[in-house]
Amino acid sequence: SQKIEQNSEALNIQEGKTATLTCNYTNYSPAYLQWYRQDPGRGPVFLLLIRENEKEKRKERLKVTFDTTLKQSLFHITASQPADSATYLCALGAWGTYKYIFGTGTRLKVLA
Amino acid sequence: EAGVAQSPRYKIIEKRQSVAFWCNPISGHATLYWYQQILGQGPKLLIQFQNNGVVDDSQLPKDRFSAERLKGVDSTLKIQPAKLEDSAVYLCASSPTGRDTGDTLHFGNGTRLTVT
Repeated sequence: SQKIEQNSEALNIQEGKTATLTCNYTNYSPAYLQWYRQDPGRGPVFLLLIRENEKEKRKERLKVTFDTTLKQSLFHITASQPADSATYLCALGAWGTYKYIFGTGTRLKVLA
Repeated sequence: EAGVAQSPRYKIIEKRQSVAFWCNPISGHATLYWYQQILGQGPKLLIQFQNNGVVDDSQLPKDRFSAERLKGVDSTLKIQPAKLEDSAVYLCASSPTGRDTGDTLHFGNGTRLTVT
């Protein structure tokens, strides 16, 4: 069955460092992958989209990579700040369905 | 633009009671989704509407859950009767077309349901 895995344990890093979050998938061939941020008590907010034919996407301090051979996406936040503390979700979409399947999310805490 | 509106924000009911959630998507968005998010898990798709037609309801427990999208705009999700395992946050999301790989989901802040 389709499986999307993110680090279930919280990731704690020091302010100013680069945070790297992983999203691994099995039994799935996504056409595109999205990353969302979710704060407590709020709905997820879209951050970045990357398509299967793209290796890397950047937006300000954020960078996403997509390796369809390894079946993995990496999400990087450079120069992290305490305000970046949140849960980050990856979501995969397949051609034709436009249905998004979400991973379990990784909780990031940036320490001042 | 106004975001996705959901109500109520919180609801506490006893098992076997019924409950309804309401969602107003972003104006002009063709696709509407209902997700269930259990604590510590990612959102799980329950039902997807394209305008006022159902695209996917394969994970909707149809013996107790029902949903409709009125005139292709607002939507309601109902649970009857509720079970303890239905305790979760119910998220509504919309996207512009639902037929473009560039579409992104716009979420409301959800309704937190507690079934006792």
